[in-house]
Amino acid sequence: QVQLQESGPGLLKPSETLSLTCTVSGDSLNDFYWNWIRQPAGKGPQWIGRIHTSGRSSYSPSLKSRVMMSIDTSKNQFSLQLTSVTAADTAVYYCARNLGFGVSHWGQGMSVTVAS
Amino acid sequence: QSALTQPASVSGSPGQSITITCTGSSRDIGGYNYVSWYQQHPGKGPRLIIYEVSLRPSGVSDRFSGSKSDNTASLTISGLQTEDEAQYYCLSYATGSLYVFGPGTTVSVL
Repeated sequence: QVQLQESGPGLLKPSETLSLTCTVSGDSLNDFYWNWIRQPAGKGPQWIGRIHTSGRSSYSPSLKSRVMMSIDTSKNQFSLQLTSVTAADTAVYYCARNLGFGVSHWGQGMSVTVAS
Repeated sequence: QSALTQPASVSGSPGQSITITCTGSSRDIGGYNYVSWYQQHPGKGPRLIIYEVSLRPSGVSDRFSGSKSDNTASLTISGLQTEDEAQYYCLSYATGSLYVFGPGTTVSVL
């Protein structure tokens, strides 16, 4: 059974860069799409973007100018970078894998707070 | 601002059936058969219950079913149970290799 685990700093200051890594166990990264999704407290999820093991990626238009994703199949990891964070980026961040065009496997989520 | 719309809340009695709608446009729901639905209980992460409009992942009860007509997708929960009380979100693939979530619907079991 595939498992995903997010890691990274939980507290950032405004204008800093958020860097999160998702480590996948129980299966290889090959031939799947891997997503980042966030959910502010009390609100619905927001899709941030996805990356394929081929390196193809796509991002939410509202975040595209600040987002970069990468993937390292040798480490079974993929990563998210979000630049120039503000309080509005405070959320639980999930990494997740697709099942067809649905998102079937989710990490447990990582709380990220942006505060001065 | 979500490009998809869902009713804020839907309620029903145990044993009844309820339907949650998710309305978009030809650029998302209407253009692709790639709508998925998620159940989220308080303090938990989202759980996939329907993908590609009507497919159920392994382990999901057949009380959950999905359909689509034009720009509107629907999730039906039959034989409503107290454990079905949760938030439900739709997610649609959209033009440009994007995904967009609906704002969510609170399901209450009376």
